[in-house]
Amino acid sequence: EVQVLESGGGLVQPGGSLRLSCAASGFIFNTYAMSWVRQGPGKGLEWVSGISGSGRDTFFADSVKGRFTVSRDNSKNIVWLQMNSLRAEDTAVYYCAKLGYCSSLTCWPDYWGQGTLVTVSS
Amino acid sequence: QTVVTQEPSLSVSPGGTVTLTCGLTSGSVSASDYPSWYQQTPGQAPRTLIYSTKTPSSGVPDRFSGSILGNKAALTITGAQADDESDYYCVLHMGSGIWVFGGGTKLTVL
Repeated sequence: EVQVLESGGGLVQPGGSLRLSCAASGFIFNTYAMSWVRQGPGKGLEWVSGISGSGRDTFFADSVKGRFTVSRDNSKNIVWLQMNSLRAEDTAVYYCAKLGYCSSLTCWPDYWGQGTLVTVSS
Repeated sequence: QTVVTQEPSLSVSPGGTVTLTCGLTSGSVSASDYPSWYQQTPGQAPRTLIYSTKTPSSGVPDRFSGSILGNKAALTITGAQADDESDYYCVLHMGSGIWVFGGGTKLTVL
């Protein structure tokens, strides 16, 4: 059974840092890209970041570029989202998704985690 | 900056048909934008409905279908049911591994 489980959320002050984890199981981890998507309170979904199966390629939304990094450890089946210089507008539930539906050029989520809440506030 | 547009809200009667659309503030949506659609109920994680314009995700009822209509991507629900009442989001691939979500459509079934 495929499982995707986020952790690491919490309350952090503006300007602070937080690292989210996404632990996955039930599939050959290093063959799938993963993505992070967030949802602010009462707001819509926003794509944040993606990482290829090897970890070599990473992608970021303009809103987080230069502040967030993404990485993975394929020996531990974990993806991390390192969030620095956090702002109030980064307050959101952060979802991790396995990109299991693929064409020759791109992939889409087939499994989503339940999310972890990040609150940026003083 | 190009923005992905969706109707903020729509309603449909039980058993009826409704079409949600996904456009761009500048330009047209085509299959090469690889549109996908997601359903989300309050407090729950998103669920993938349709990817690559029209391919249904595993387990998605066949009353959900995707297409390109004119210059927009479209999600059509044929024979709407009460539990289709949800928020629906489209996503377009903007190249270089970048996705952009639309603002979402709140669908009411009444």
